[in-house]
Amino acid sequence: DGGITQSPKYLFRKEGQNVTLSCEQNLNHDAMYWYRQDPGQGLRLIYYSQIVNDFQKGDIAEGYSVSREKKESFPLTVTSAQKNPTAFYLCASSSGMGTEAFFGQGTRLTVV
Amino acid sequence: AQSVAQPEDQVNVAEGNPLTVKCTYSVSGNPYLFWYVQYPNRGLQFLLKYITGDNLVKGSYGFEAEFNKSQTSFHLKKPSALVSDSALYFCAVRDSSNTGKLIFGQGTTLQVKP
Repeated sequence: DGGITQSPKYLFRKEGQNVTLSCEQNLNHDAMYWYRQDPGQGLRLIYYSQIVNDFQKGDIAEGYSVSREKKESFPLTVTSAQKNPTAFYLCASSSGMGTEAFFGQGTRLTVV
Repeated sequence: AQSVAQPEDQVNVAEGNPLTVKCTYSVSGNPYLFWYVQYPNRGLQFLLKYITGDNLVKGSYGFEAEFNKSQTSFHLKKPSALVSDSALYFCAVRDSSNTGKLIFGQGTTLQVKP
């Protein structure tokens, strides 16, 4: 069954900790994206990657880091430098410029 | 700069009536435009896209959208709304002249009342 898998579904972080959100796709897509969703603010782009071993900052990259060592994986680390990390995080992938993105089911991160 | 605007936070419509959810965009090259729907605590589902060709595109669940280059708009429409269409709708754009950055609007909540 092809698709994008995000894990975990819920994640709790203590202040000062780094946490890593997983995103795996078996769609053979080149491009992958991470978005943050807050109520009333829509989806904001954190990082995106067009190809393995390359990625670009989106609009709100501060306090986040990513890696793209494999085509199918694009993990997002929320670092302690991110002062307000509580949000719903969505990962997506697509195969080209004119193609739609496919989304995972999201990870809800809460700082406790 | 690349951007998308959805001017309405919420749209209310009675079941059976036509619905429109508005979207305008700004890109430097040719736009690739998309509509998605999101149900609570879930990921986004693709509805339809405009890449090139006919300005009226048809998508899933009876939705359609009209691309208007002069008005830089891509409004989502449906002739007859269903209560089950109630959800959060997002418009998105890619700029053909850049590296594939996919930008979303702020979303519009559609409420269809029986």
